[in-house]
Amino acid sequence: QVQLVESGGGVVQAGGSLRLSCAASTFAFSSYAMYWVRQVSGKGLEWVAFIDQDGSSEYYADSVKGRFTTSRDNSRKTLYLQLNSLRLEDTAVYYCAKDLTVAVAGAVWGQGSLVTVSS
Amino acid sequence: EIVMTQSPATLSVSPGERATLSCRASESVRSDLAWYQQKPGQAPRLLIYDASTRATGVPARFSGSGSGTEFTLSISRLQSEDFAVYYCQQYNNWPPVTFGGGTNVEIK
Repeated sequence: QVQLVESGGGVVQAGGSLRLSCAASTFAFSSYAMYWVRQVSGKGLEWVAFIDQDGSSEYYADSVKGRFTTSRDNSRKTLYLQLNSLRLEDTAVYYCAKDLTVAVAGAVWGQGSLVTVSS
Repeated sequence: EIVMTQSPATLSVSPGERATLSCRASESVRSDLAWYQQKPGQAPRLLIYDASTRATGVPARFSGSGSGTEFTLSISRLQSEDFAVYYCQQYNNWPPVTFGGGTNVEIK
């Protein structure tokens, strides 16, 4: 069964940085584009970032552009999200996911990692 | 950016009854629409893709319809495990990937 496991969340002060990881198992990670989506507690889903299979193409939501960077290490089957210049409004559960826009039949999400930005 | 609007925000339904959820796109997304179910403390789970195709393992009581800008998710004979929040998501024109605001299906 396809599995995505996020880690790296925690509490960080406003203006600080954090790096999230998403470890993939049981599928050919290097063959899939990957996504980050976040969710503020009690609110809806907000797409954050996209990275293609070899990491040569990235897209970001306007709300995080210039502050967040996604990358991947296909040899380690791991996806990363570097969060810099964090703001209070970045507090959310961050999910990694596959197949959100192509081959959507295979869409799978990780369990999420909570990032709390404090003042 | 394509804006996805879901209605109603909350739907109160009795177990065994039918639920009908709506999703509207600000411009045509053809049939490039997915529905997700999310329960408290869990990640979203894919139910429907390509507007009307059930994902693997999804019970037949879930059905999707529509194309262009108007979409519907129907749940016939609601069971206790179906009470959750449902989101639609378009993947026709991105970035950005956009989601609706969700419909909370609660027990009446």
